[in-house]
Amino acid sequence: GQNIDQPTEMTATEGAIVQINCTYQTSGFNGLFWYQQHAGEAPTFLSYNVLDGLEEKGRFSSFLSRSKGYSYLLLKELQMKDSASYLCAVVDSNYQLIWGAGTKLIIKP
Amino acid sequence: DAEITQSPRHKITETGRQVTLACHQTWNHNNMFWYRQDLGHGLRLIHYSYGVQDTNKGEVSDGYSVSRSNTEDLPLTLESAASSQTSVYFCASSEQPQETQYFGPGTRLLVL
Repeated sequence: GQNIDQPTEMTATEGAIVQINCTYQTSGFNGLFWYQQHAGEAPTFLSYNVLDGLEEKGRFSSFLSRSKGYSYLLLKELQMKDSASYLCAVVDSNYQLIWGAGTKLIIKP
Repeated sequence: DAEITQSPRHKITETGRQVTLACHQTWNHNNMFWYRQDLGHGLRLIHYSYGVQDTNKGEVSDGYSVSRSNTEDLPLTLESAASSQTSVYFCASSEQPQETQYFGPGTRLLVL
């Protein structure tokens, strides 16, 4: 079967750095997305990786290792507004998105 | 600005009733998707469409149906609502199936 694993919840301090991991086992791979979802709101796009390596976008970076079936989202200089759930999703061989259950990130002052 | 809207935003219904949730997008995307989101689960695909008159079943399609008569709309119908269908429903669209999906604000459905 297809499986995406992420930690259920993480806590970090304002101004710090946090890394959210995602491991996947899917039938084929055509890219990996990270989305942010604030409570009661819709998911919004953060990043997309299809090749191995690090993609940096401001305070957020995303890393992919296809051979290890592994990705992480790195958030720097954490702000209170970063408190949200972070969803990892893999595009499988049928070009459908397989979603992880999400990681709830709690930021403390 | 292009957008994707859903209505109603909140709905309470009774077991056995038919319910239709609307989704309308002005991105002019061919690809549209319906998901449900429940605590402890990721987004689960209910139905999707790659164009007008095209509909496909997703992972959790039992008890749901969709129709695609134009590019902009993909209404989701619960044929006979069940308490297990209490959930938050999201509609999304994308330019290509494997590309970034843009989500509507969601519909919270409670089936009593």
